[in-house]
Amino acid sequence: GENVGLHLPTLSVQEGDNSIINCAYSNSASDYFIWYKQESGKGPQFIIDIRSNMDKRQGQRVTVLLNKTVKHLSLQIAATQPGDSAVYFCAEISGGYQKVTFGIGTKLQVIP
Amino acid sequence: NAGVTQTPKFQVLKTGQSMTLQCAQDMNHNSMYWYRQDPGMGLRLIYYSASEGTTDKGEVPNGYNVSRLNKREFSLRLESAAPSQTSVYFCASSEAAVRAHTFGSGTRLTVV
Repeated sequence: GENVGLHLPTLSVQEGDNSIINCAYSNSASDYFIWYKQESGKGPQFIIDIRSNMDKRQGQRVTVLLNKTVKHLSLQIAATQPGDSAVYFCAEISGGYQKVTFGIGTKLQVIP
Repeated sequence: NAGVTQTPKFQVLKTGQSMTLQCAQDMNHNSMYWYRQDPGMGLRLIYYSASEGTTDKGEVPNGYNVSRLNKREFSLRLESAAPSQTSVYFCASSEAAVRAHTFGSGTRLTVV
């Protein structure tokens, strides 16, 4: 799993650069994965999802990569903007879509 | 589009007091959830309702009760609040069980 310390891992990125946020998941039998974005004081917001039979999925400015061999998920954000500053966390769904496990998240700071 | 609406946004309780957190969704979703979010931890499921008329315990149900009043509304009750219940509470809904959630904006609860 991810770092369970009290302080979130932080990624600082220059505006315009690409960001890569990583997530290690725990269950090799997980069926489905979701990335959420949470801005300060708000609820999590769906970004993109991927099923376990895929290894890549692209959205608008975002790409999710799934490496089942090492149980690793990544979120790539192209041309990072100040509005991308938030906490990003992954969720894995397992047990035939019966159980959701959320990571603690990574804080993305965009430097103007 | 309101999505998922939670009330109240903030609440301070004394130990032993009771209160109900309200949640309503207008997306005709079947499944609804209550999570708590604490520093350094991922979202943890308190209770969920896979469909109208059913409720089930999640990972951390102790000290809470829920009511799925109708398809739209899912309330969370603290019968006797404890300082350990100080947290940010999120209600969420999804079309079907354990799919991508739509979250409310959260209730920040402090128990003193």
